[in-house]
Amino acid sequence: AQKITQTQPGMFVQEKEAVTLDCTYDTSDPSYGLFWYKQPSSGEMIFLIYQGSYDQQNATEGRYSLNFQKARKSANLVISASQLGDSAMYFCAMREDGGSYIPTFGRGTSLIVHP
Amino acid sequence: NAGVTQTPKFRVLKTGQSMTLLCAQDMNHEYMYWYRQDPGMGLRLIHYSVGEGTTAKGEVPDGYNVSRLKKQNFLLGLESAAPSQTSVYFCASSREADYEQYFGPGTRLTVT
Repeated sequence: AQKITQTQPGMFVQEKEAVTLDCTYDTSDPSYGLFWYKQPSSGEMIFLIYQGSYDQQNATEGRYSLNFQKARKSANLVISASQLGDSAMYFCAMREDGGSYIPTFGRGTSLIVHP
Repeated sequence: NAGVTQTPKFRVLKTGQSMTLLCAQDMNHEYMYWYRQDPGMGLRLIHYSVGEGTTAKGEVPDGYNVSRLKKQNFLLGLESAAPSQTSVYFCASSREADYEQYFGPGTRLTVT
């Protein structure tokens, strides 16, 4: 079974609008971390945001925020005020602290921002 | 700081040939990783290292070997390339396991 599920293969959003990219995860470990990475068409992977399982507040980094719903095992990425440069693949990843600590990645969601 | 660099950026191999991909990082990170990325599959971990002189298998290790003789370098070897190994290979490093990963620019490998 997949540990990280990203159900939206592709998403479209109008420039300046907000968009939510879904990520659900599967773990029985009480301690874990969740990451989001961006991969533009140039190919490099860029770290965006991190949420620890014990963090009380949702993580935010500029226009990025993580909507962490622990009971639902979801860690959705919210991008506010979308920009054309946000067009990219977005990957969710999870690290389980009771195992090897090595992150497992989802299959990604493609986001296209329209002008 | 160059961050994480990968050599080469592109390579075409014939079936059965061998090659080594080099990853170097200048951030003094303990952890280093090799991933492959195939369309629709996300990133899959091939091998990783938790420090100089150590290596461990990831999700898809078959057909690959690695070495970490120096802390800053992590080498990925293909002893006998197969068309199924056509992929984009990413190296990454992190300070420790629970920190974010820094990725190299990738190597696009085609095996014919």
